[in-house]
Amino acid sequence: EVQLLESGGGFVQPGESLRLSCAASGFTFTSYAMNWVRQAPGKGLEWVSAVSGSGSSTYYADSVKGRFTISRDNSKNTVYLQMDSLRADDTAVYYCAKDSPLVVAPFDWWGQGTLVAVSS
Amino acid sequence: DIQMTQSPSSLSASVGDRVTITCRSSQNIDTYLNWYQQKPGKAPKLLIYAASNLYSGVPSRFSGSGSGTDFTLIISSLHPEDFATYYCQQSFSAPITFGQGTRLEIK
Repeated sequence: EVQLLESGGGFVQPGESLRLSCAASGFTFTSYAMNWVRQAPGKGLEWVSAVSGSGSSTYYADSVKGRFTISRDNSKNTVYLQMDSLRADDTAVYYCAKDSPLVVAPFDWWGQGTLVAVSS
Repeated sequence: DIQMTQSPSSLSASVGDRVTITCRSSQNIDTYLNWYQQKPGKAPKLLIYAASNLYSGVPSRFSGSGSGTDFTLIISSLHPEDFATYYCQQSFSAPITFGQGTRLEIK
């Protein structure tokens, strides 16, 4: 069975950095793009970033472009989100989500989420 | 960016009711539209993909329709476990965007 396990969340001050990890299992990791989606407390879902299966292509929401970097280590079946210059409005639960092989590539598996809280 | 607008934002209904949630995109997205269900404290779950395709394991009381800019999620007869928040998502172009959500509450 597919499993996605996020880690690395925590409490940080504005301007600090954090790196999230998402360890994947149960599928051919290199075959699928991976995504990060976040949800601020009491708010809706916001797509943050995506990386292609090979890692050669990356995509970002405007709200994080230039501050966050997505990457993957296909030898470890892990995707990362390096978050720099964190701001209070980055506070959210961060989910990693797998692209599906289905037409239009919805997200078919999600991790349980990891909380990032940015506050002084 | 493609804007996704759901209506209503919240909805009260009873077990057994038929419920309709709509989603409108700011530009033509063909059928690149997906629906998710999220319960409090849990990750979202895929319900419908490509506007009208039921994801594996999802009960047949859920259905989706639409293309272009207007889409609909229908729950034909509400079960107690269906009370949750529903999100539409476009996967037509980056950045991927979600609707603001529709919270379905028990009347």
